[in-house]
Amino acid sequence: GQQLNQSPQSMFIQEGEDVSMNCTSSSIFNTWLWYKQDPGEGPVLLIALYKAGELTSNGRLTAQFGITRKDSFLNISASIPSDVGIYFCAGQLIGNQFYFGTGTSLTVIP
Amino acid sequence: GAVVSQHPSRVICKSGTSVKIECRSLDFQATTMFWYRQFPKQSLMLMATSNEGSKATYEQGVEKDKFLINHASLTLSTLTVTSAHPEDSSFYICSAILTRVGTDTQYFGPGTRLTVL
Repeated sequence: GQQLNQSPQSMFIQEGEDVSMNCTSSSIFNTWLWYKQDPGEGPVLLIALYKAGELTSNGRLTAQFGITRKDSFLNISASIPSDVGIYFCAGQLIGNQFYFGTGTSLTVIP
Repeated sequence: GAVVSQHPSRVICKSGTSVKIECRSLDFQATTMFWYRQFPKQSLMLMATSNEGSKATYEQGVEKDKFLINHASLTLSTLTVTSAHPEDSSFYICSAILTRVGTDTQYFGPGTRLTVL
């Protein structure tokens, strides 16, 4: 199925640094979702965005629904070792069609 | 928050046997559930959409007779891998859609690791 363009593909950062990743698409989405997946586990929902321009925080995480409805970003502030994992974005078109980004692998160096 | 469970979490079976994986939405009803397959270090690959009370919709290239899906209730969908072969070994993940006042949010199960010997 359709894949969203997610970047960067991987990141290696020092503990304490901020992280930013984004997803873009040529399609207009109604919903943007951000997930984190640890090895051997299912993705866990971090933030859900339902309106264009919406900016939502969840602890050290902040995500925004792009005003054009074709993009979204996720920021992690003051990274810690447990932030390590793979982050996925997902966009929803009409109905129950969800499309996923290719993932961003985050490594935090203590 | 919405919780989705999967059972079993791990299963090892012999080639030629069938394996059933259950996906349950524990604290909400889900008309729609999805089944995904994930290969190491790759994103999720949608296999099929499971709709309560009707036949599942399979993605192109996914054999419906190989991967049987049943969505018998608003809280349970099952995936049966029939006549499993080693190439069916993978990580299978289900998800369920929680609908609230015009918004749809997808919640994932913890996944099932299938190993076919």
